[in-house]
Amino acid sequence: AQSVTQLDSQVPVFEEAPVELRCNYSSSVSVYLFWYVQYPNQGLQLLLKYLSGSTLVKGINGFEAEFNKSQTSFHLRKPSVHISDTAEYFCAVISSGTYKYIFGTGTRLKVLA
Amino acid sequence: DAGVTQSPTHLIKTRGQQVTLRCSPKSGHDTVSWYQQALGQGPQFIFQYYEEEERQRGNFPDRFSGHQFPNYSSELNVNALLLGDSALYLCASSYVGAEGYTFGSGTRLTVV
Repeated sequence: AQSVTQLDSQVPVFEEAPVELRCNYSSSVSVYLFWYVQYPNQGLQLLLKYLSGSTLVKGINGFEAEFNKSQTSFHLRKPSVHISDTAEYFCAVISSGTYKYIFGTGTRLKVLA
Repeated sequence: DAGVTQSPTHLIKTRGQQVTLRCSPKSGHDTVSWYQQALGQGPQFIFQYYEEEERQRGNFPDRFSGHQFPNYSSELNVNALLLGDSALYLCASSYVGAEGYTFGSGTRLTVV
């Protein structure tokens, strides 16, 4: 069965420092990959997605992610974080031919002043 | 342009009761999915509706049922509520063939 692993449940980082949030998935079929952000008491907002083509994907708010098929990873990066980036981040995958997201358990990014 | 609208935002129910949650998709979207997000967890897929039919279902019991109306809006019904049904219920919409969904802000259901 398809699964998504976010190894880091919490990531503290100082403001203006770089950050990487890790995501690995298990699949032997084609997948589409996504990162969502969730602010407290809100729904999910799409940061970026990989469907095909270039393995480096740029999203909103200065985030980017790189699809690595051989390592089945889709890590999220930002070169310089802001206090406002404090939120929960979810990695998700949709397998080709299905309609449902499989989400990871989330990574709580806490940006410190 | 309104995004995905969910109602109510918060709800408290007693064990054994039934509940109906509502979702209006983003304008132009015809597909609606429902997810359950327990505290501290990632969202879990309940089911998806397209053309008023349930197109795919996750691992949820039959107590969870849904409906999609001709205007693409949708309802999620949960019967015989259990304490474990307490969660944030998220609705997500898209148009057929698109990858990536727009999520609503959710309905926070508390079962006491």
